[in-house]
Amino acid sequence: GAVVSQHPSRVICKSGTSVKIECRSLDFQATTMFWYRQFPKQSLMLMATSNEGSKATYEQGVEKDKFLINHASLTLSTLTVTSAHPEDSSFYICSAREGLLYGYTFGSGTRLTVV
Amino acid sequence: AQSVTQPDIHITVSEGASLELRCNYSYGATPYLFWYVQSPGQGLQLLLKYFSGDTLVQGIKGFEAEFKRSQSSFNLRKPSVHWSDAAEYFCAVGAAGSSNTGKLIFGQGTTLQVKP
Repeated sequence: GAVVSQHPSRVICKSGTSVKIECRSLDFQATTMFWYRQFPKQSLMLMATSNEGSKATYEQGVEKDKFLINHASLTLSTLTVTSAHPEDSSFYICSAREGLLYGYTFGSGTRLTVV
Repeated sequence: AQSVTQPDIHITVSEGASLELRCNYSYGATPYLFWYVQSPGQGLQLLLKYFSGDTLVQGIKGFEAEFKRSQSSFNLRKPSVHWSDAAEYFCAVGAAGSSNTGKLIFGQGTTLQVKP
């Protein structure tokens, strides 16, 4: 079945630095990937839709300049949290869909802690 | 507005007992419906999905769900719960007929606790 690999699984960074999270579709091509944020004990909040070769589509209220998304190839999307602050600490998850009749496959998530 | 509601935030059942997790949706178009399970600190695993056809859908780990259009519901069931089923469960809806670019809308999640 479809596999989505997400790295790193955990990262701790200092306030003011930037962190990059990678999301790869291992055995299928994904023209579109999705980035979510999840707070403890809460549901997933869609941050943006990542489109290969074009600009990401951000959900309302998500800062484009803080959460930079790049989808340079059909198998790789990256989320960069720029100038991270403690309030950016969260669980970030990516997902992709192999095709119309398939479910969405999720990465294992990245726990970001900004100190 | 499009939305997914999981009325039960937290459910506790005894091991071996039956389980039903509720999901109601509001969606203007024909929906694709999904149930996912999440263990602590992990990503989401697809349990089952409904696109069309038979309204009773079988999934992994002994789960099933029934799509009831008249009630806008897609409840998840399992006849006998195992301790390993303790996790967070999410119902989600996406647009049918769209390309694979369609985004999912998630419910708030239901935490399942299993008593020995």
